[in-house]
Amino acid sequence: DGGITQSPKYLFRKEGQNVTLSCEQNLNHDAMYWYRQDPGQGLRLIYYSQIVNDFQKGDIAEGYSVSREKKESFPLTVTSAQKNPTAFYLCASSILDRVIDTIYFGEGSWLTVV
Amino acid sequence: DAKTTQPPSMDCAEGRAANLPCNHSTISGNEYVYWYRQIHSQGPQYIIHGLKNNETNEMASLIITEDRKSSTLILPHATLRDTAVYYCIVRVEIGQAGTALIFGKGTTLSVSS
Repeated sequence: DGGITQSPKYLFRKEGQNVTLSCEQNLNHDAMYWYRQDPGQGLRLIYYSQIVNDFQKGDIAEGYSVSREKKESFPLTVTSAQKNPTAFYLCASSILDRVIDTIYFGEGSWLTVV
Repeated sequence: DAKTTQPPSMDCAEGRAANLPCNHSTISGNEYVYWYRQIHSQGPQYIIHGLKNNETNEMASLIITEDRKSSTLILPHATLRDTAVYYCIVRVEIGQAGTALIFGKGTTLSVSS
């Protein structure tokens, strides 16, 4: 079945460690996105990529890094520079049509700093 | 900025229609309105989108005003499983290179028996 797969579902990080969240899609979508969601809040855009080997910062990119070496993969690294990383992280993809831009989401990853 | 305004919460009795309003007064002529919903701890699920005509699918109906400054998502017969956060969104310019769908806080719909 086509879709977006995020892993791991739950991840614990020690202070000062970098962690990487995986996102893979088999929908042949050009654009991929990472959002962060805090409890009771909406989604905030961290990074997005419209094409392989290119990506752009969203509203809250500080303390995060991404790569887009393959069309189907868009991993997110939460670095030690991110001071409050505990949150729910959502990966998404879309076909990158300038008019219609329906986004499809993965099931999310919970990151907790211990 | 989300470019849309929604009430923070709404209640609905099971079996009744749920009408969720959204204001998007700054929407431009060729921008679509999208509706998603998110059940706790899951990724948002696409519901419907529209430009200026009313739209209906198996999940919901979307009514867009003639001036396109507001819309209403209608769940005709709400069930307990429709309890979720509902997001009304339009595309916004971000960074230098493009646009993305920006999600605000949405409306928390609580369906009760």
